[in-house]
Amino acid sequence: AQTVTQSQPEMSVQEAETVTLSCTYDTSESNYYLFWYKQPPSRQMILVIRQEAYKQQNATENRFSVNFQKAAKSFSLKISDSQLGDTAMYFCALLVSSWGKLQFGAGTQVVVTP
Amino acid sequence: DGGITQSPKYLFRKEGQNVTLSCEQNLNHDAMYWYRQDPGQGLRLIYYSQIVNDFQKGDIAEGYSVSREKKESFPLTVTSAQKNPTAFYLCASRWAAVSTDTQYFGPGTRLTVL
Repeated sequence: AQTVTQSQPEMSVQEAETVTLSCTYDTSESNYYLFWYKQPPSRQMILVIRQEAYKQQNATENRFSVNFQKAAKSFSLKISDSQLGDTAMYFCALLVSSWGKLQFGAGTQVVVTP
Repeated sequence: DGGITQSPKYLFRKEGQNVTLSCEQNLNHDAMYWYRQDPGQGLRLIYYSQIVNDFQKGDIAEGYSVSREKKESFPLTVTSAQKNPTAFYLCASRWAAVSTDTQYFGPGTRLTVL
């Protein structure tokens, strides 16, 4: 069985500052993929970033980057230069199966303040 | 515009009624998924389908039913057997040819039992 744990229910950050969200996971599979999704107040789920476990290089998408520590089974998300539009619930998700089942964490609410 | 549509946006159900949530996609995706989201929890998989006329139960299928008669459509019926159906429901789809392809989500349906 796969599990995903997000230990921070809520985080607050000021505009232009940096915030890091933590995520740990557990799987016995060697080939898997990790995702961060964002859910703003509109409740639309939006893909933020994706990491393949076989890649050592950390994924980056503009102001979003991850710190993937495979041995520690850790997958944190860093949001740099935070903007008001980054206010959202952020979900970490793990994909191990060929039919595409995503295992989600409980989410971290990020609030960006002026 | 290509995308995933869900209707209605809000749905109210009386006790003992069955209701059907619509999910349509014009992305030519093969696989489609239904998730349930409750406050303070991540998304949980209800049903999924990789091809037309075939679908599989997810983690919380009891009280729900689906059909997949067309590639573009994957409706979810919430039956009276579902004891606590009030939740936010999200539909997703992806290319099945690439087993690890990203899932894209619709805007969701909020179901409330009166």
